[in-house]
Amino acid sequence: EVQLVESGGGLVQPGGSLRLSCAASGFTFSSYDMHWVRQATGKGLEWVSAIGTAGDTYYPGSVKGRFTISRENAKNSLYLQMNSLRAGDTAVYYCARFRFAFDIWGQGTMVTVSS
Amino acid sequence: DIQLTQSPSFLSASVGDRVTITCRASQGISSYLAWYQQKPGKAPKLLIYAASTLQSGVPSRFSGSGSGTEFTLTISSLQPEDFATYYCQQLNSYPTWTFGQGTKVEIK
Repeated sequence: EVQLVESGGGLVQPGGSLRLSCAASGFTFSSYDMHWVRQATGKGLEWVSAIGTAGDTYYPGSVKGRFTISRENAKNSLYLQMNSLRAGDTAVYYCARFRFAFDIWGQGTMVTVSS
Repeated sequence: DIQLTQSPSFLSASVGDRVTITCRASQGISSYLAWYQQKPGKAPKLLIYAASTLQSGVPSRFSGSGSGTEFTLTISSLQPEDFATYYCQQLNSYPTWTFGQGTKVEIK
């Protein structure tokens, strides 16, 4: 079964750091671009970061310089290192596979930034 | 940055109704548009990509059309399981892709 499973979310204080993980199974992970998307409670979807098969990375202005996406193909894993967290980063974070669009999504992991 | 505007933001419909949701792009994006369905507490699900290509396993009552700056998602006969929020996404400006604000479809 093709599957993505996120982990690593939790409660963190403003200014703190958190590392999210996404475990992939059921497909050749190294062959796909991968993304992170977040959704604040009751709000819409916001694209957060992307990593290509060659390891090239991309970010929107809202997280550039604070978030780092990476992948470890040998472990079929995707990561998101989040530093200098702000209250506005509070959201469910999803990892997603790109194939024509975001065709496979994980179940999400909740990140809460609060003192 | 390319902006996407969905209309309406909310619609109330009955089972069996034909429903149309529009997504307008701030600049031309050819056919690089996808549609997703999201139910409460769940991850989004891909319905359509390349503006009109139905994702495998998605019922044929869903269809997409359009190109350039105006796109539509149509549900030909609304079913109880279709009550959800729908998002469009532009895939033109690789890889910094943006989503529309969403359209919530509720039971009348």
